[in-house]
Amino acid sequence: AQTVTQSQPEMSVQEAETVTLSCTYDTSESNYYLFWYKQPPSRQMILVIRQEAYKQQNATENRFSVNFQKAAKSFSLKISDSQLGDTAMYFCALGPGNTGKLIFGQGTTLQVKP
Amino acid sequence: DTEVTQTPKHLVMGMTNKKSLKCEQHMGHRAMYWYKQKAKKPPELMFVYSYEKLSINESVPSRFSPECPNSSLLNLHLHALQPEDSALYLCASSQGLATDQQFFGPGTRLTVL
Repeated sequence: AQTVTQSQPEMSVQEAETVTLSCTYDTSESNYYLFWYKQPPSRQMILVIRQEAYKQQNATENRFSVNFQKAAKSFSLKISDSQLGDTAMYFCALGPGNTGKLIFGQGTTLQVKP
Repeated sequence: DTEVTQTPKHLVMGMTNKKSLKCEQHMGHRAMYWYKQKAKKPPELMFVYSYEKLSINESVPSRFSPECPNSSLLNLHLHALQPEDSALYLCASSQGLATDQQFFGPGTRLTVL
């Protein structure tokens, strides 16, 4: 069975500082994707960043970067220069395999404080 | 157009009502999904359609009935719902089942009285 674990239910960070959200996963698949999705309060879920498992280089998207440790099955998200608009629930997800199924973690609520 | 749209945004219904949720995408995606999301919880997959055919039903009660009339549209028909079915219903689409990114719609906030 595939699982995704986010061990930090809530986190907070001061504006302009850096924060890291943790995610560990388990899968027996050799080829898969990992994702971080952001869901602001009462707003749409959007993709923040994605990583293809066969790529060793860590993905980056502007202020967002990941630390992908395949052997350790770890996929953390680093947000640099945090902004108030980063306040949201962040979901780590594994998939999709051949079925399209995404396996989501329980989420981390991030509060960015002014 | 990289958008998934959902209507209505909000829906309040009684347990004896019949209603439908609608989802539309014009990105040429061939896979579409329905998810149910409770507050502060991750989305739970309900149904997956691939090339307009139902490929996954995650043991969803029959009071939820999905329909995919064409490659751009996905409906969720609701009948005899229970109060515990109150949730945010999300639609998503992707190019194919095994392709990476799913694009999510804004959701329909459903309240069952």
